[in-house]
Amino acid sequence: SQTIHQWPATLVQPVGSPLSLECTVEGTSNPNLYWYRQAAGRGLQLLFYSVGIGQISSEVPQNLSASRPQDRQFILSSKKLLLSDSGFYLCAWSEGQRSYNSPLHFGNGTRLTVT
Amino acid sequence: QQPVQSPQAVILREGEDAVINCSSSKALYSVHWYRQKHGEAPVFLMILLKGGEQKGHEKISASFNEKKQQSSLYLTASQLSYSGTYFCGTERGQRGGSQGNLIFGKGTKLSVKP
Repeated sequence: SQTIHQWPATLVQPVGSPLSLECTVEGTSNPNLYWYRQAAGRGLQLLFYSVGIGQISSEVPQNLSASRPQDRQFILSSKKLLLSDSGFYLCAWSEGQRSYNSPLHFGNGTRLTVT
Repeated sequence: QQPVQSPQAVILREGEDAVINCSSSKALYSVHWYRQKHGEAPVFLMILLKGGEQKGHEKISASFNEKKQQSSLYLTASQLSYSGTYFCGTERGQRGGSQGNLIFGKGTKLSVKP
């Protein structure tokens, strides 16, 4: 069966520090991968998605970046965190083919607090 | 365009019914429904792919009215375990032309009391 791992679960970082969140998927090949952010009391905002190794699309301009160095690995990074980067970050995957009828499977999330 | 969910919040007693609506100003090609419990990740409930399609699982069902560009989630005889925030996600762009990326509504917080 497929599983998705995301770490760390919680993170407290000072403003201006770098960030690296990692997500890996097991049990499937060529998944679509996604990074979502959820600010307190708000909905899910799509940050990045990837349909293959090295292929990253950004949905919103920001000081975050994403990379997909391997088929089932997705990394969210920042060189300098801002206070507004605080939130609940969720990695998700879906089937690579016919993805419009494929559900999203979310990781357990990383709660990031920038101080 | 972010879909609009209503109501924003609802409080029920165990056994009562609820309807959560999701509407879009753009044409909808599919609608996903997810439930998120506090502090946890969203969990997939169902996808509706065709206009008029209805799906159900136990006492939670949904309908999709393509012409009205809206979907509704029906929770019947609610249980305590139904509590959480419900999100609808709609597919953007042309069918098959997007990556299936979803835009989510802001969510509806459902609280079921004993």
